Amino acid sequence: NAGVMQNPRHLVRRRGQEARLRCSPMKGHSHVYWYRQLPEEGLKFMVYLQKENIIDESGMPKERFSAEFPKEGPSILRIQQVVRGDSAAYFCASSPPQGFHEQYFGPGTRLTVT
Amino acid sequence: GENVEQHPSTLSVQEGDSAVIKCTYSDSASNYFPWYKQELGKRPQLIIDIRSNVGEKKDQRIAVTLNKTAKHFSLHITETQPEDSAVYFCAASIRAGGTSYGKLTFGQGTILTVHP
Repeated sequence: NAGVMQNPRHLVRRRGQEARLRCSPMKGHSHVYWYRQLPEEGLKFMVYLQKENIIDESGMPKERFSAEFPKEGPSILRIQQVVRGDSAAYFCASSPPQGFHEQYFGPGTRLTVT
Repeated sequence: GENVEQHPSTLSVQEGDSAVIKCTYSDSASNYFPWYKQELGKRPQLIIDIRSNVGEKKDQRIAVTLNKTAKHFSLHITETQPEDSAVYFCAASIRAGGTSYGKLTFGQGTILTVHP
């Protein structure tokens, strides 16, 4: 059973460009969470999605950031017009539809904005 | 919203000693408390978790205790080994009703170093 997959693993963007980060949950998992980890800091919640629905986006910056989890395909975190402060590791986690929402993390995408 | 405080920020022990990491949380509605281990450049890995209806849980050399009254939970690692060296994060979340909703609020992390 493959774990949570994320791609790309490393992404370099110039200021003003767009970044697209992808997350495929574990098989059987229908809940996806995105977290951001700044250098030498903890993980901060950004958004929680189920298929075709955003459940909680309270941690998402109001501008430039968006997320989706379509009926088919991976979840995507999109950052428009990136700035240097967006440089971080972005992790997604997935959890099953039942149970106590144990979350399993992907390997992360390390975004560097130059 | 929930706030999780974690101490200490760094912890250095000799191989074979025990290590204890402590966390406090602010929201009394939180009812699920996982612990994650993160090695440098790797993903956070779930190592143990505890739910609010249990006071203690053990898995081999790792144990977690929960004091709901004090809103405090701790990770205990016995007989530490060099491969236990990593950053450890505590977290808290709320399960609402019959759903599996549960965004995690993380502590700041503890850098554990186990010296051979």
